[in-house]
Amino acid sequence: DAKTTQPNSMESNEEEPVHLPCNHSTISGTDYIHWYRQLPSQGPEYVIHGLTSNVNNRMASLAIAEDRKSSTLILHRATLRDAAVYYCILRDGLNFGNEKLTFGTGTRLTIIP
Amino acid sequence: KAGVTQTPRYLIKTRGQQVTLSCSPISGHRSVSWYQQTPGQGLQFLFEYFSETQRNKGNFPGRFSGRQFSNSRSEMNVSTLELGDSALYLCASSELTGRDQYFGPGTRLLVL
Repeated sequence: DAKTTQPNSMESNEEEPVHLPCNHSTISGTDYIHWYRQLPSQGPEYVIHGLTSNVNNRMASLAIAEDRKSSTLILHRATLRDAAVYYCILRDGLNFGNEKLTFGTGTRLTIIP
Repeated sequence: KAGVTQTPRYLIKTRGQQVTLSCSPISGHRSVSWYQQTPGQGLQFLFEYFSETQRNKGNFPGRFSGRQFSNSRSEMNVSTLELGDSALYLCASSELTGRDQYFGPGTRLLVL
């Protein structure tokens, strides 16, 4: 599986935007970029995913570099409830039958009131 | 729809015992995956079941096994428990669209 690299931790002030980076320099052309987050004492939850174009949903936006070797998860207005560990994961689009998620260490996001 | 449910939520066992954990996926989801989460190793994939067949397996010893029933409910079993098996065991279900998986709250296992 292609690997991802994320900062171990980040801090952000409440009600400000947060940009969470992820590097994936060995990404293949068929790899989708997925983001999950794990709130304290909960299982991970899906946030967003994309292939080449930037994506938006009600939770966040995903900005993908033109060469696809990096991406950024954007939380437009962080709240205390967004404090979690955020995981950037690559999934092979040619192998949708493979449900295995390979989690890295993720980024622990702390929100400062 | 009800979410993924896991039972029990907490469990204490002693070394050498065995344990069975249960997972009920979201209605209509036929794929169930299991993960182990520890502070040292993070989230690691155990195995995945679809239509009662194991389709994918992680790098865990044979003491870890699982199965899936015709109603898609899944169980995982750990035999001859070791102290290092203390972890949060998470179950996830999906519709095999390659998009999102839904995780349960996990079973926290403590081996003494």
